[in-house]
Order: sequence, then structure tokens, then C-alpha cells
Amino acid sequence: GQNIDQPTEMTATEGAIVQINCTYQTSGFNGLFWYQQHAGEAPTFLSYNVLDGLEEKGRFSSFLSRSKGYSYLLLKELQMKDSASYLCAVMDSNYQLIWGAGTKLIIKP
Amino acid sequence: IAGITQAPTSQILAAGRRMTLRCTQDMRHNAMYWYRQDLGLGLRLIHYSNTAGTTGKGEVPDGYSVSRANTDDFPLTLASAVPSQTSVYFCASSGAPSTDTQYFGPGTRLTVL
Repeated sequence: GQNIDQPTEMTATEGAIVQINCTYQTSGFNGLFWYQQHAGEAPTFLSYNVLDGLEEKGRFSSFLSRSKGYSYLLLKELQMKDSASYLCAVMDSNYQLIWGAGTKLIIKP
Repeated sequence: IAGITQAPTSQILAAGRRMTLRCTQDMRHNAMYWYRQDLGLGLRLIHYSNTAGTTGKGEVPDGYSVSRANTDDFPLTLASAVPSQTSVYFCASSGAPSTDTQYFGPGTRLTVL
């Protein structure tokens, strides 16, 4: 079966750095997405990786290793507004997104 | 309209009733999707449409139907609602069904009693 695993919840301190991991087992791979979802709101796109390596976008970076079925989202200089759920999703061989359950990130002052 | 809109925002429905959730996008995206989101689970695809006039079944299609008469609209119908269909429903769209980023509507919170 297809599976996306990510931690249920993480806590970090304002101004710090946090890494959210995602491992996947899917039928085929056509890219990995990270979305941010604030409570009661819609998911919003953060990043997309299809090749191995690190993609940097401001305070957020995303890393992919296809051979290991592994990705992480790195958030630097954490702000209170970064408190949200972070969703990892993999596009499979049918070009459908398979979603993880999300990681709830709690930022403490 | 800017982006994707969904209606209603929330709804309480008696079991056995018929309900249509509406979704409209103004980005001229070819592909549209319906997901449900339940606590502790990832988003699950209900139905999708790669282009106007075509639809397909996702991971959890039973009890739901869709139509895609034009590019902009993609309604989701529950023919006879059951309590297990209590969920938050998100509509999304993308320029192409392949690797394009999906953009989400604000969601509909549905409670079936």
C-alpha cells in the first residue's frame, strides 16, 4: 500500500530552527509537496521537490532523497505565525497526491 | 471572484438527505479535485476531473458523485448523507493534472446527524 509518515506534533521556540521529517512509500514518484495549513483554513502551497537536494525559499527549505524515500521541511527563525500543521504529499504514478496526516507545529515564545 | 470559492461554509444535515457542495474557480484551471479531511488522517481524494467533461474516482468515492459541465464549476453531491460523511471538504484545482501545484478553496464543514 501507499504510505506517508510524518510526526504528529512538534514543539519549537520562537526564533529557533525546526526540521519536520516525512518518509514515504508510494507506487511511483512524480514529486513531493509541502503545504502549510493553519487551523480552520485551507492548505497553502509551500514547496515542491522532484529532484534530490535542497530547495530554499526564504525562511523555508525542503530537502528530498528519492533513494531513501525521505524529505524534510526546515523552518528557520521561527515566528509565532508559523504555528500550523505542515502536510507532506507525494504525487504517485497516477499523478494523484497521497497525503500524510500532517505535523502540528506549536511555537512557544 | 479570486481563486476558488466553496459554498456553503458549513452545513448541518440530517441523515438521508441529499446535499450538493459547490466549488467554483476563476483561474481557468483544467484539473479540479474534491478531498475530505478527517482528524488524524491525511487528505483523501474523493473524485477528480482532469478537464471539463471528464471525471474520475479517487480513493474514497462511495456515496459521492460529481459533474464537470464547464471549466469553472465542480459540484460534489451526496445522494443520501450518512454520519460517516461528517468531515471538512476541500475543493482544489491545478493548471494541469500532472505535476502542477494544487490550490485549495476555503472548505466546507459538513455535519451529518
